[in-house]
Amino acid sequence: DAGVIQSPRHEVTEMGQEVTLRCKPISGHNSLFWYRQTMMRGLELLIYFNNNVPIDDSGMPEDRFSAKMPNASFSTLKIQPSEPRDSAVYFCASSFEYTGELFFGEGSRLTVL
Amino acid sequence: KQEVTQIPAALSVPEGENLVLNCSFTDSAIYNLQWFRQDPGKGLTSLLLIQSSQREQTSGRLNASLDKSSGRSTLYIAASQPGDSATYLCAVPYNNNDMRFGAGTRLTVKP
Repeated sequence: DAGVIQSPRHEVTEMGQEVTLRCKPISGHNSLFWYRQTMMRGLELLIYFNNNVPIDDSGMPEDRFSAKMPNASFSTLKIQPSEPRDSAVYFCASSFEYTGELFFGEGSRLTVL
Repeated sequence: KQEVTQIPAALSVPEGENLVLNCSFTDSAIYNLQWFRQDPGKGLTSLLLIQSSQREQTSGRLNASLDKSSGRSTLYIAASQPGDSATYLCAVPYNNNDMRFGAGTRLTVKP
């Protein structure tokens, strides 16, 4: 298996622009997680899907953030409008059942100018 | 609330040394505990997953132990190599849908 695949790997955008991050989980995994990593706050869970259904989005910072999982093999995290404080590395991870072994993608490094 | 602490925050050792990384957690009602490695600019790589019913797991030169009652786990690395240099993180599930991560231990193995 190719592992969890994220795109883009790097994104540089200007404040106010829309950003869409994409994730393909490992085939057969039914849980998908979006995390954000910064030096100040470490790894933070943004949202978690189980069987394509959002279970907990309490970590989503504000309404500017939204996430979808239209099918078992694809998820997006959208920020609109983006702000400089959104600059971070965004990771997607998947597992088979929510307490199973967690596998991470390589991350999408976002810089908002 | 589950809090995960890793000590030390940074560790530097000469090549060939055996070393231990520590992870502690406040809520012992965990399903499992997972150790990860993160290289600079990379994602997290799963090293070992210990189920709550297990006391330890081994993979090559790595051995992870779990003591739920005391809220502790250790990652033992035998015969360290420069290629082991990375940040090591432990994580435990919390509230069924959230993995709580420690801040990590940054390991440097000097040739």
